[in-house]
Amino acid sequence: GAGVSQSPSNKVTEKGKDVELRCDPISGHTALYWYRQRLGQGLEFLIYFQGNSAPDKSGLPSDRFSAERTGESVSTLTIQRTQQEDSAVYLCASSLAEAGVHEKLFFGSGTQLSVL
Amino acid sequence: DAKTTQPPSMDCAEGRAANLPCNHSTISGNEYVYWYRQIHSQGPQYIIHGLKNNETNEMASLIITEDRKSSTLILPHATLRDTAVYYCIVRARGQNFVFGPGTRLSVLP
Repeated sequence: GAGVSQSPSNKVTEKGKDVELRCDPISGHTALYWYRQRLGQGLEFLIYFQGNSAPDKSGLPSDRFSAERTGESVSTLTIQRTQQEDSAVYLCASSLAEAGVHEKLFFGSGTQLSVL
Repeated sequence: DAKTTQPPSMDCAEGRAANLPCNHSTISGNEYVYWYRQIHSQGPQYIIHGLKNNETNEMASLIITEDRKSSTLILPHATLRDTAVYYCIVRARGQNFVFGPGTRLSVLP
């Protein structure tokens, strides 16, 4: 595709349910990031995938959060037993992180998650 | 841990230059300065980056002080569409991008 695609664009769920958010990066991009943005707040780093390296999970807020990426393609962010404080926009970004090429992040439009 | 400090908000008159400051006093020799902006309800957009030399592209100019402890993003002729939150990020290759709260720039007619 031409850009980073995220789905769904909006998700409303009940407290305690599990949700899966999907990110399709730009084809060929080796790096993929997930961020969370609460209303009126800045971006909060969650997790970073780079090629076949072990992901940087240092930003995941709790063990209810997990993410996977298959090779250099789709990534899924899973939130188990959702809580109201999980309500936010979840943004995905990808970049071409080759040696000698500076990373420019390309962001998707995000998934607006609302936990009732 | 925040590596950068930016003012929370700024105003600029339309057509004038917008100068957005960023302090990064603990920057390391291998860390670059990146600027992104986020227009309401959209994902952030790359603007420019630099190491120690001043940089210019079609969007903006980046001025980095000689000691690299601070920088300024310059939008030479601000328009209403430049109203956004501007993020200054310090990062070495291979590290993740950590976004702080940024500066909310309001371009006024």
